Parts: sequence; C-alpha cells; structure tokens
Amino acid sequence: ETGVTQTPRHLVMGMTNKKSLKCEQHLGHNAMYWYKQSAKKPLELMFVYNFKEQTENNSVPSRFSPECPNSSHLFLHLHTLQPEDSALYLCASSQDGLAGLIADTQYFGPGTRLTVL
Amino acid sequence: AQSVTQPDIHITVSEGASLELRCNYSYGATPYLFWYVQSPGQGLQLLLKYFSGDTLVQGIKGFEAEFKRSQSSFNLRKPSVHWSDAAEYFCAVPSGYALNFGKGTSLLVTP
Repeated sequence: ETGVTQTPRHLVMGMTNKKSLKCEQHLGHNAMYWYKQSAKKPLELMFVYNFKEQTENNSVPSRFSPECPNSSHLFLHLHTLQPEDSALYLCASSQDGLAGLIADTQYFGPGTRLTVL
Repeated sequence: AQSVTQPDIHITVSEGASLELRCNYSYGATPYLFWYVQSPGQGLQLLLKYFSGDTLVQGIKGFEAEFKRSQSSFNLRKPSVHWSDAAEYFCAVPSGYALNFGKGTSLLVTP
C-alpha cells in the first residue's frame, strides 16, 4: 500500500454505538491530521498529531477521541454521536507537523463516509 | 487567521474549453497558497502550491495558477478541460498547524 489509507470507507452507526476509524500512512511522515468534511461547509480541522503528540484540538466535542500510537497510525474513536456528525472524515499526513507555519504539503486519504442514524 | 474565498460554488465548462477557478486570499504578507482537487468518493490531491518566487506556478494534470498580489488572488487555470477534470476544487492557505480551505468550487464538464 502506498500513500494514506483509511478504513472503513463507509460506516453506518447508531447514536449509542462505539466505533473507530483507522488511518495509516506509508510515507514516513511525522504528522497526521483529522479533518471533517460536511456538505456545504469547508473542511474543518479536528486534530493534529506531531511525532505522536497532539498539538491541536480544534474545539472538538469529547465524543470524538483521537489516538496516535505511532507516527504511521491514527485512530478516531467515536461514541454517542449525533446525526449532525454524519460527514466525510479525512485523514492527512505531512512530513512535519508545521503545515501552518512552513506550508508543509499534506497528503490525504480517501476518507470514511460516516452516517449516524 | 489567514483565509481564502472561492466565489464560485459551481462552474460548468465544455470539454476542450479553457477553465479559470477563482480564489481570493486575505492576508497582509505574501501567503503560501495551495490548490487541491477532490474527485467523487476520493480524498484531496495536491495540484500545485505557491511559496514565493515566480508568480506563475505549474502543477499536475496540466493545471497552473497565478499569484497576483494586487488582486489578492491565486486563480487556477487550465487551457483545455477534459471530462476527467470534473471534480471539486479547493483553494487553501496555512493557518496554525494545518490548512484553512475555501468552500470549494464544483466543476462540471459537458460534452
């Protein structure tokens, strides 16, 4: 596998379920990101991890819980979600976690389409 | 915070015609600017980026963009559009640890 992969590609869950999204990057990068893409809204940054340490939490509700066990893997744990959380969740990686400071190029995965019933 | 605006939500062009997608930025100094493309069901792919230097930037898939400080713009162009170019196009600017994206322009290509 090359680039950034995400599993599952599609997920349907009830509001009381617990599920996890997985992201893996095969680029040797040190930073990973979660974005949320809702219909008719710009992409929203959720979390940034740099060298496995969380460097940004963009005021995300606690029902979203990220985990970064190593520089290649990033998870997003979901519990008691709301219907308005239905969206495309995109993972990205970059060489260093300074995308905003040095315009480090981000590489995106295909996303997980999440539907909350 | 730095931001970008994409004034056009939808654009329709005929195959073979030229294309220009607009992006305006708000930032006092010279910004870093990106264009990404998202095909249906896919993630975002980097088309090109501008850091400094030559204001005309060449990207992949035959795209180019021109940075114009006087107009605060970074418009994306392609001289001849192919049906496979139908997608969502996003302009972006760095902000904090990541990127601020515009709302996107949806490109429809007609035969």
